[in-house]
Amino acid sequence: AQKITQTQPGMFVQEKEAVTLDCTYDTSDPSYGLFWYKQPSSGEMIFLIYQGSYDQQNATEGRYSLNFQKARKSANLVISASQLGDSAMYFCAMRDYRDDKIIFGKGTRLHILP
Amino acid sequence: DAGVIQSPRHEVTEMGQEVTLRCKPISGHDYLFWYRQTMMQGLELLVYFNNKAVMDDSGMPKDRFSAKMPNASFSTLKIQPSEPRDSAVYFCASIPGRARVTNTGELFFGEGSRLTVL
Repeated sequence: AQKITQTQPGMFVQEKEAVTLDCTYDTSDPSYGLFWYKQPSSGEMIFLIYQGSYDQQNATEGRYSLNFQKARKSANLVISASQLGDSAMYFCAMRDYRDDKIIFGKGTRLHILP
Repeated sequence: DAGVIQSPRHEVTEMGQEVTLRCKPISGHDYLFWYRQTMMQGLELLVYFNNKAVMDDSGMPKDRFSAKMPNASFSTLKIQPSEPRDSAVYFCASIPGRARVTNTGELFFGEGSRLTVL
């Protein structure tokens, strides 16, 4: 069965430091996509970054990068030079391309300290 | 193009009452997902549709929840009877079908319906 695990319920990080949010996944399908979403206190879901299971290189989007380790089934999000506005809940998600089911982890609440 | 539209945005009801949440996906999107967000469980997938057909509803409590998609532009999630443990934010989201994917396939979310059952 598909599963997404985020082991860090909460994190506190000093402003300007880099942050790594952990995500491990489990699927038997070789074709899948991995996503990260940000949910600020206002509640909307904001798409951040995507990694396909066949992509050879780690995805990057501005200050966000996805550290994809396929053998370990991990897809950690790295935020460089954190800012106060990065304080939010972060969700890791997986899309199984066999049936297009999309599941989420329980999330990590990130607090950036001034 | 308008985004995913959910209604109501907020609902407060008493235990035992029927609750109906509504969702209009983005036009042309073939898949529609219903998620429930709680502090303890994060975002749980309740049910999802492909071209109006239920693909998987294993995450939905069958005794009190039901989901329908009578046409491509409308879906409902009904809870009857509601209980305090149903209090949560319910999100609807949609994505295009595979043949129409021009992006990475990320979900397009509605703003959510916050349900409080007293």
